[in-house]
Amino acid sequence: DAKTTQPPSMDCAEGRAANLPCNHSTISGNEYVYWYRQIHSQGPQYIIHGLKNNETNEMASLIITEDRKSSTLILPHATLRDTAVYYCIVLPQNAGNMLTFGGGTRLMVKP
Amino acid sequence: DAGVIQSPRHEVTEMGQEVTLRCKPISGHNSLFWYRQTMMRGLELLIYFNNNVPIDDSGMPEDRFSAKMPNASFSTLKIQPSEPRDSAVYFCASSLGQGTNGYTFGSGTRLTVV
Repeated sequence: DAKTTQPPSMDCAEGRAANLPCNHSTISGNEYVYWYRQIHSQGPQYIIHGLKNNETNEMASLIITEDRKSSTLILPHATLRDTAVYYCIVLPQNAGNMLTFGGGTRLMVKP
Repeated sequence: DAGVIQSPRHEVTEMGQEVTLRCKPISGHNSLFWYRQTMMRGLELLIYFNNNVPIDDSGMPEDRFSAKMPNASFSTLKIQPSEPRDSAVYFCASSLGQGTNGYTFGSGTRLTVV
């Protein structure tokens, strides 16, 4: 599986957009980019995933570069409740794939 | 949908005792995963079931750990005998098919072995 690199921590002002980067320079053609987050004392929560096109849902937007070597998760209007650890994971779309978590980015949304 | 249900939420036990953690996946999901989270090691995948069959248990730390999935709606993770270093939060997750649309995690069981 491709490895990912994320900054260990970031701050964001409440109400502003939070842009969380992820580097996955060794990603393969059949690997998707997944984002999860874990709010303190809770289980991880699925946010969004994509292959090569940009994706948007009610939680966030995912921007994947054309070469697919990096991506950015965008929380358009961060709230205090978005304070969490955000994990970027790449995973092939084959049967039996298992989600493995790295260190993630600890996002602190400040008032 | 009640989501993935884990019990108990908290467990405190003495070293050497047997501990059983329980998980009820989302109805219709056919894949189930057990994870362990500690400050030192982060989130670690322990074992993965597909259609109630263990597919990969390479993450199970020792023979003291065992997991079963007797039917599609129930799984257990057992530690016997427990040791203080087993103290962690244990999460169960389920997904449909290959998990394309994401895994759903339970709220976890916080285990403390004293």
